[in-house]
Amino acid sequence: QQQVRQSPQSLTVWEGETAILNCSYENSAFDYFPWYQQFPGEGPALLIAIRSVSDKKEDGRFTIFFNKREKKLSLHITDSQPGDSATYFCAASGQGTGSKLSFGKGAKLTVSP
Amino acid sequence: GPKVLQIPSHQIIDMGQMVTLNCDPVSNHLYFYWYKQILGQQMEFLVNFYNGKVMEKSKLFKDQFSVERPDGSYFTLKIQPTALEDSAVYFCASSSTGEAPLFGEGTRLSVL
Repeated sequence: QQQVRQSPQSLTVWEGETAILNCSYENSAFDYFPWYQQFPGEGPALLIAIRSVSDKKEDGRFTIFFNKREKKLSLHITDSQPGDSATYFCAASGQGTGSKLSFGKGAKLTVSP
Repeated sequence: GPKVLQIPSHQIIDMGQMVTLNCDPVSNHLYFYWYKQILGQQMEFLVNFYNGKVMEKSKLFKDQFSVERPDGSYFTLKIQPTALEDSAVYFCASSSTGEAPLFGEGTRLSVL
């Protein structure tokens, strides 16, 4: 059972546009939601994360919007740059320190100059 | 910044043989994880540790898998015997807080 779902699977935007990557989850016990960025041949790197007590988390050009009632969240990348072209993974974990992360299948973002 | 180191970066092995994947986590991290990624797809959880003890194993952590910490520093993931479906990139990760683990660059395992 896929606990974390992402859409779209791939997205292409022009440089300067806002890219929006969506994520939804099944498990109500999930309370921590990191987004990871992965470039080809590299490991995933933490980009930004949010806890379920918040509805928004911003870090520079990256913003997470979180809707606990609908079990949905989205990652907005404003002023997209070609260097943002990567695969983005939405992940979730439950309460309990050290809990495993459940990952979505990823979304491949391409930013065209 | 701190890095999780994985050796080797690529391993090619014949089906049925044993393989050992090595990972050197960040030195002061107490939480440790192994994940499996097939063909650039989602990361699948295998096992996690706290302070050297297993916390949880997933269904993907088959009987052929074992994890050790030989000398208290680096971790190993051993697969014996290997199967074709074990071909994947294996990532280890570590964390000081139990959240937002820091991932290594992975070991690409090719089972022929």
